[in-house]
Amino acid sequence: EAGVVQSPRYKIIEKKQPVAFWCNPISGHNTLYWYLQNLGQGPELLIRYENEEAVDDSQLPKDRFSAERLKGVDSTLKIQPAELGDSAVYLCASSLDGLATGELFFGEGSRLTVL
Amino acid sequence: DAKTTQPNSMESNEEEPVHLPCNHSTISGTDYIHWYRQLPSQGPEYVIHGLTSNVNNRMASLAIAEDRKSSTLILHRATLRDAAVYYCILRGSGNQFYFGTGTSLTVIP
Repeated sequence: EAGVVQSPRYKIIEKKQPVAFWCNPISGHNTLYWYLQNLGQGPELLIRYENEEAVDDSQLPKDRFSAERLKGVDSTLKIQPAELGDSAVYLCASSLDGLATGELFFGEGSRLTVL
Repeated sequence: DAKTTQPNSMESNEEEPVHLPCNHSTISGTDYIHWYRQLPSQGPEYVIHGLTSNVNNRMASLAIAEDRKSSTLILHRATLRDAAVYYCILRGSGNQFYFGTGTSLTVIP
């Protein structure tokens, strides 16, 4: 079975340019997470979806970040415009349900470099 | 959110057991204790989780203190492939899942 798929793996852009990351979760997983991970730090939650509904987006910088999960499957995370401080790895994860016992499955991440 | 505290780094010799501690003094009765690890250039992967009783699986063992204010992840025989950052996370009924900075484990050949 395929795991969580993210693309692109690497992206280099100049500041003020837009960028988008795509995530395909494991089939049947209704909970999807986007995390940001800075170098040497643990992942920080940006947004969590239950099916197509964003149930926790309190940490998402809404002035420049947006996300969507159409039809409750794939998800896209967008940054517009990108700033130098957005350079990080963006991780997508999915889980079968929202139970406290549930296991999260992570993709390999999308590494963004803003010049 | 209930917070966890872990040492920044630990070292272990290859083929020896490793005990990775985690303090979570503000844990609530419904919080599960999860451990994940992250190998270089990869996303985190699940290791083990538990609520009150000690747990064993093919990767590791989880020992939970009687008062649940601390736990220890046990790798029975460390290998070079176990070198990673290990995260201790509390997951509660609100489906919160927040990582700390974790413990960076170095395995010495």
